[in-house]
Amino acid sequence: DSGVTQTPKHLITATGQRVTLRCSPRSGDLSVYWYQQSLDQGLQFLIQYYNGEERAKGNILERFSAQQFPDLHSELNLSSLELGDSALYFCASSASQSNYGYTFGSGTRLTVV
Amino acid sequence: GQQLNQSPQSMFIQEGEDVSMNCTSSSIFNTWLWYKQEPGEGPVLLIALYKAGELTSNGRLTAQFGITRKDSFLNISASIPSDVGIYFCAGPRSNFGNEKLTFGTGTRLTIIP
Repeated sequence: DSGVTQTPKHLITATGQRVTLRCSPRSGDLSVYWYQQSLDQGLQFLIQYYNGEERAKGNILERFSAQQFPDLHSELNLSSLELGDSALYFCASSASQSNYGYTFGSGTRLTVV
Repeated sequence: GQQLNQSPQSMFIQEGEDVSMNCTSSSIFNTWLWYKQEPGEGPVLLIALYKAGELTSNGRLTAQFGITRKDSFLNISASIPSDVGIYFCAGPRSNFGNEKLTFGTGTRLTIIP
């Protein structure tokens, strides 16, 4: 157990729908990062939050949004889903002054049918 | 955007063989990280490198921070079945915490029985 909790583990939904992915960071970590990994692809950075505020934005579609709440958990909202949004979505967290890289959760596998 | 290229893309080796893989960038990185991802799991940090020329080991794994700061290398000695997975290099662009990581394209390691 890495300490980063992602729910749900699997999600199957239809095109055009909206889903919410949830992440609880490791205790004490203030930063949360969201990454998308398509089939056999690398990890594409989506967005980062630090202590409730958006810190950096990557290749995140306008149909996607995220937020970090006062208790530091984060949610990634994906709307108007398309078949191509099927992927593994990972959340990672890091401590405020750490150079040791992130700790990843086990991911949410989203399948859009 | 920033891209890290890893080679080889995939490797098929026999148990007991040594493995070498590398990661190159067109830009300088100040930190190099190596992650391993097993099927259905999030990436796990293996080794972190912070200084050009640094050589760091973690058990049978050894990684080096290239002196140009544009590349890094990972070696695995005497491979065993549990080494199977995808190996990613990654790096932030600064030495501060809370930087988003750019991930490499990955090297998939398969061990032939």
